[in-house]
Amino acid sequence: QVQVVQSGAEVKKPGASVKVSCQASGYSITSYVMHWVRQAPGQRLEWMGWINVGNGNTKYSQNFQDRVTFSRDTSATTSYTELSGLTSEDTAVFFCATSLGTTNLDYWGQGTLVTVSS
Amino acid sequence: SYELTQPPSVSVSPGQTARITCSGDALSRKYTYWYQQKPGQAPVLLIRRDTERPSGIPERFSGSSSGTAVTLTISGVQAEDEADYYCQSADSSNTYVVFGGGTKLTVL
Repeated sequence: QVQVVQSGAEVKKPGASVKVSCQASGYSITSYVMHWVRQAPGQRLEWMGWINVGNGNTKYSQNFQDRVTFSRDTSATTSYTELSGLTSEDTAVFFCATSLGTTNLDYWGQGTLVTVSS
Repeated sequence: SYELTQPPSVSVSPGQTARITCSGDALSRKYTYWYQQKPGQAPVLLIRRDTERPSGIPERFSGSSSGTAVTLTISGVQAEDEADYYCQSADSSNTYVVFGGGTKLTVL
């Protein structure tokens, strides 16, 4: 059974950066994909992009590509998303979700609340 | 950019059938996935590849596809099914993921 666990809540000031981690367990292979999704309060799910944990390949949504970076630590089966230039509009829950493909999101983390406030 | 369209809300009485539609130009060529999200929780995969139900998902949830529209059907709706439902697909190159705007299901 695949399980996905995310890091805890963060509070950041405008202009700062935030780095959220996501650890997946239960896969027998390392070549899986980790997607990242943002959800502002009361709003829809917004896809940010994905990283292939095995080879490091990434794909970013055009809405985030200028200020988001995905990375991974294969030894710890942990993926990271770092979002820079935070504004109040980035106050949201960030989810990671994993699958074996780039077009679907099978197993979701519990979400990480990022609050941007001065 | 590619968009998926869902109705903002659907209301049904317990025991009735709820149908939530999702439309998009490429849906006749691309798989659709459905997720259920309850307040304060992460989304859960309900339907994969238009019609497949992952293990552990109740049989009352089903998916169907016709042309550029797909439908999530919930038969015999229960109070616990009250949630937001999102459809999701990919662009023509299977590179970018796109979500619908979400549908709030209210059980009267």
